[in-house]
Amino acid sequence: GEDVEQSLFLSVREGDSSVINCTYTDSSSTYLYWYKQEPGAGLQLLTYIFSNMDMKQDQRLTVLLNKKDKHLSLRIADTQTGDSAIYFCAESLFGNTPLVFGKGTRLSVIA
Amino acid sequence: DAGVIQSPRHEVTEMGQEVTLRCKPISGHNSLFWYRQTMMRGLELLIYFNNNVPIDDSGMPEDRFSAKMPNASFSTLKIQPSEPRDSAVYFCASSPGQGVHEQYFGPGTRLTVT
Repeated sequence: GEDVEQSLFLSVREGDSSVINCTYTDSSSTYLYWYKQEPGAGLQLLTYIFSNMDMKQDQRLTVLLNKKDKHLSLRIADTQTGDSAIYFCAESLFGNTPLVFGKGTRLSVIA
Repeated sequence: DAGVIQSPRHEVTEMGQEVTLRCKPISGHNSLFWYRQTMMRGLELLIYFNNNVPIDDSGMPEDRFSAKMPNASFSTLKIQPSEPRDSAVYFCASSPGQGVHEQYFGPGTRLTVT
């Protein structure tokens, strides 16, 4: 079945880069997503990548995909205190099919 | 655009009572999803609709849960009777479909059943 794994916690210093990792099992996943959740809030879509891509960059965010190893990462450059949140990795077959989420990685940014 | 709208934002009810959660998707979106978030199980799909038609309800925990989408701009998730283990945050999300691959989430409804 589908499964998405993430480490639960990450702590970084302000100004450093953060790298959040994710592995997934469903090789037929076509789209892979990163969502951000702040306390008491909904999920904010940060970025997504098609499975036929290796990398996608969007301002401070860089997504790397290793399809062979089914490994996805999100790099946040120049991490700020406002980046403190839970980050969810998710996969789906198509854009209008359900997302399968990891448990989320709690990022703490130390000033 | 106002985004996905959910109501109420918070609901506290007693065990055995009926609970109705509401969702208004983003205008023009063809797909609507209901997810539940708990500490133990994380985010899980309950049910989703394409063009107002339920496609997959295999995530609905029990017959106590039901969902409807009477039109393109409104959906409800009903729990009757509610139980303490239903306490969770319930999210609604919508997606444009038609080759556009983002899902946009509402702020969620935090349900507490005592």
